[in-house]
Parts: sequence; C-alpha cells; structure tokens
Amino acid sequence: EVQLVESGGGLVQPGRSLRLSCEVSGFTFDDHAMHWVRQAPGKGLEWVSGISSNSANIGYADSVKGRFTISRDNAKKSLFLQLNSLRAEDTAVYYCAKAERGGLYSGADYWGQGTLVTVSS
Amino acid sequence: QSVLTQPPSASGTPGQRIIISCSGTIPNIGSHTVNWYQHLPGTAPKLLIQYNNHRPSGVPDRFSGSKSGTSASLDISGLQSEDEAEYYCAAWDDNLNGWVLGGGTKLTVL
Repeated sequence: EVQLVESGGGLVQPGRSLRLSCEVSGFTFDDHAMHWVRQAPGKGLEWVSGISSNSANIGYADSVKGRFTISRDNAKKSLFLQLNSLRAEDTAVYYCAKAERGGLYSGADYWGQGTLVTVSS
Repeated sequence: QSVLTQPPSASGTPGQRIIISCSGTIPNIGSHTVNWYQHLPGTAPKLLIQYNNHRPSGVPDRFSGSKSGTSASLDISGLQSEDEAEYYCAAWDDNLNGWVLGGGTKLTVL
C-alpha cells in the first residue's frame, strides 16, 4: 500500500524558515518524481514544486521561486521542502504527492494527508 | 487566477449526469495529458482520471474523462451523494515548466 506521511508543519513568524519532510512507503521511491502541492485556506490546490526521480530536474511555482528548495534522499525514501523567507500568503496545508513516473512532467497519483503551515506573528 | 479554467460550482440530483469542463491553452492541455482529482476537505486528494481518460484501479466507471484541443472534461454519470466534493483538473505547462491546476469545481449533490 502506498503511503506518504508529511511532517514539519507548524506556526512560524513571517520571515522565518521551516523544513517539511515526507516519508514514503509501499513503492520504489527512486523510480518516481515527487511533488509538493498546497492549499491555502478557502483556496484551491496550487502546485508548489516538483523533483524528478534522480533529482536532475526541479521546478518551482513563481510564487515560491528563490524562497523554497525541494530535495530528496532516495536512500531514506524521503522528500523535503525547505521554506525560507516565509510570508503570510504561504499559510496552507502542504501535500506531498507521488508522481506516476520518474519525469518532472509526470502528474501525481497518490497524495499524503498534508501538514499545516501557518505564518503569523 | 488559475491557468486552467473550471466553473467554480456545479450541482445535480442523485442519478443525474454532470460534466465539469476545464479550459487551458496550447502549452498545457494542448500539449499534454490531463489528470482529474477529487478532494474532500481534510483528506488526501484522490486521482480520478489520468492521461485524459484512464481510470485508475478502484475508480468507479461512473467517472470518465475526455480531451479535445485545449479543453478537457470530467463526466460523472449516476450522481451519488458521496460524489459531493471539489474536483480539479491538472496538466503540465511547457511555458511555466511546472504543473498547473484549475481553480476547482465544488460539486453539490442536491
């Protein structure tokens, strides 16, 4: 059974940093690209970032480019998202998602339950 | 403003057929396949349709997808109360070099 478990969310002040993690099981992690998608309160889903299976290709939404960094550790079957210079508008539930294949262009087929990030003073 | 355009809401009665549209442009839907997701509040989004019209294992055949040019559609037949959820279309975008999603369509079963 495919499982994705996010962690690392919480309350953080504007301008500070946070690191999200996603631990996976039930599939061959290093065969699949991975994505982070978020949902702000009252808003729709927004793709944040993605990384190919071998980390060779990485993409970011314009709204987070230069502030967020995605990475993965295939040996530990884990995906990460480093969130720097956080803003109030980054407040959202952050979902980790497994892609159908290894390329960055590959869409998500399984999602985690999400972790809430609240940016407020 | 989402790159892919969906109607914000849709409604129907049990047993009815509903079609949710998703409009894009050449760099996204016009060049790549479309996925559809079902999302209930507080839960993990669920993949309903992949590669425009393929249903993953376990998804009822009441759900079907299609694509033509720069538009896609999700067709739900025999509407059931448990179908009440938010539905999103998604596709890769060559210009943005990332995934784009529709704004979501909130389906209400009356």
